[in-house]
Amino acid sequence: DAGITQSPRHKVTETGTPVTLRCHQTENHRYMYWYRQDPGHGLRLIHYSYGVKDTDKGEVSDGYSVSRSKTEDFLLTLESATSSQTSVYFCAISGGAEQYFGPGTRLTVT
Amino acid sequence: GIQVEQSPPDLILQEGANSTLRCNFSDSVNNLQWFHQNPWGQLINLFYIPSGTKQNGRLSATTVATERYSLLYISSSQTTDSGVYFCAVEAYSGGGADGLTFGKGTHLIIQP
Repeated sequence: DAGITQSPRHKVTETGTPVTLRCHQTENHRYMYWYRQDPGHGLRLIHYSYGVKDTDKGEVSDGYSVSRSKTEDFLLTLESATSSQTSVYFCAISGGAEQYFGPGTRLTVT
Repeated sequence: GIQVEQSPPDLILQEGANSTLRCNFSDSVNNLQWFHQNPWGQLINLFYIPSGTKQNGRLSATTVATERYSLLYISSSQTTDSGVYFCAVEAYSGGGADGLTFGKGTHLIIQP
């Protein structure tokens, strides 16, 4: 299995608070991604990175920001969490072709 | 953006049966992958198959890129095959890896 970890694995937070999710890889892959999974929508791309400090928006980027200061870490930040951001968040990595997914983070915003 | 449609949305089979899952996509693709999401939520890579045919044990997949569809075959189903099967594609962009667009999945239940 690809070496991808996500932290935390579960989080409950209140509306309006900032939240940061971390994705860590040990594969030295160039590309990293954040997706969210919601019932009825499958997985949707939030943001992705194609190198250190190089990021771009995905389909559902509003309300989220990302940062990648090292090859191995990709952070997803919710500046002010809303109930609509309750979801399961998956990180993925790729060397340019096949993507591999982390275990996911279940985030609940109350 | 590219559209991905999977069929059927739900499928209930008896153990030992065979099944075919279909994925249609609306544009040329760089990448097509099939995943199995198990009941614990883990996404497991089944195939990376932007074109051609591959087999792995009881599973096989075929992508006909010129006709914009892919098929996943599961033979001799087992209860552990239950879960949601996703098809995901990356639209051809001529550049780097821009992220996958997922279908809504096929929910497969294998009954003993």
